Amino acid sequence: RKEVEQDPGPFNVPEGATVAFNCTYSNSASQSFFWYRQDCRKEPKLLMSVYSSGNEDGRFTAQLNRASQYISLLIRDSKLSDSATYLCVVGSGTYKYIFGTGTRLKVLA
Amino acid sequence: EPEVTQTPSHQVTQMGQEVILRCVPISNHLYFYWYRQILGQKVEFLVSFYNNEISEKSEIFDDQFSVERPDGSNFTLKIRSTKLEDSAMYFCASTGGAGNQPQHFGDGTRLSIL
Repeated sequence: RKEVEQDPGPFNVPEGATVAFNCTYSNSASQSFFWYRQDCRKEPKLLMSVYSSGNEDGRFTAQLNRASQYISLLIRDSKLSDSATYLCVVGSGTYKYIFGTGTRLKVLA
Repeated sequence: EPEVTQTPSHQVTQMGQEVILRCVPISNHLYFYWYRQILGQKVEFLVSFYNNEISEKSEIFDDQFSVERPDGSNFTLKIRSTKLEDSAMYFCASTGGAGNQPQHFGDGTRLSIL
């Protein structure tokens, strides 16, 4: 089983739609969880950290399910500018962060 | 907002040559990382560095690779004898604390091996 798994997509959604991504991780001792977005040939940029109680930042909601070892990202009211690859990142110990393969999102006009 | 900066933005090198990729982490950060991303593939962890020594490294980070913090600001990745398969985007990242701190990334160095 891969350490961090994501559906690569692409997810093609119309503007205004709600879309959700999941990410599973294999190491039950993982301590920290993040969603990053990456535009083509650019660096990963932090979208949000994921907290145990779930957290929201504007149109974005992240949740963590430790029992099932997955995290999720919900995007409401999708914008064209949301088109990107969304990377799930899991902190495995103090010094190592593992990236998922990323999920591609295309928001269509 | 403070940034992680990387130089050069693009490096073209002949196979077998040595390359040094440079990074200036955010000034009060203590933990430093290198990642690579081969075109079309996932971001892969290479190495983490704290307190002037390697904290953890991946299988990719073999004897051809080394890291150094030669002064108080720079953090470098050296590839001793480059191979064609080293062609990739290399990202430097830093965090202010251990464990659950998010990483801040530089905008990367594109390494092309001919």
